[in-house]
Amino acid sequence: AQSVSQHNHHVILSEAASLELGCNYSYGGTVNLFWYVQYPGQHLQLLLKYFSGDPLVKGIKGFEAEFIKSKFSFNLRKPSVQWSDTAEYFCAVMFKAAGNKLTFGGGTRVLVKP
Amino acid sequence: EPEVTQTPSHQVTQMGQEVILRCVPISNHLYFYWYRQILGQKVEFLVSFYNNEISEKSEIFDDQFSVERPDGSNFTLKIRSTKLEDSAMYFCASSEATSGGAHEQFFGPGTRLTVL
Repeated sequence: AQSVSQHNHHVILSEAASLELGCNYSYGGTVNLFWYVQYPGQHLQLLLKYFSGDPLVKGIKGFEAEFIKSKFSFNLRKPSVQWSDTAEYFCAVMFKAAGNKLTFGGGTRVLVKP
Repeated sequence: EPEVTQTPSHQVTQMGQEVILRCVPISNHLYFYWYRQILGQKVEFLVSFYNNEISEKSEIFDDQFSVERPDGSNFTLKIRSTKLEDSAMYFCASSEATSGGAHEQFFGPGTRLTVL
């Protein structure tokens, strides 16, 4: 079965530090890739998405992600985090052979200390 | 900005009771979804709905679950006889239909279901 894994469950860092969250998925042919964020008390919001084209994708709030097909990875990065980036981050994959459903990773809770 | 809304935000029910979770998708969207997240576990797909019928469902979506679009705006998930293990956060999502087949899903805030 298709699966998605996120490397870290919890990340703690200070403001201005760089952030990289790992996401890997099982082989499953053509994929669409997403990163969602859930701020405390809020709903899942889309940070960025990859459908095709340039594998380096820029999203909102200074986030970017790179699709590396050979590694089945879609890691999320931000060069300099702010306290307001404290949230839970979810990687999600749409395996096209399996229809339009999203398969989620387990999420990574990020705490940015001021 | 249009949003997916869900009601109630929290539902407490007794085991064996029926519950209906309600969602109002974004108005021009045509694909609707339900996901759930049991505490401490991953967000899991339950069902997708398009053109007034189920287009996909997971193994979790057994006969005790059903979905309906009773009117032009609401999308509901019914659990006929709740079990303790149905306790979870239930998320509704919707997406546009595009000819390219790539869909960005917009999520609601969730309904936390607690089965006692």
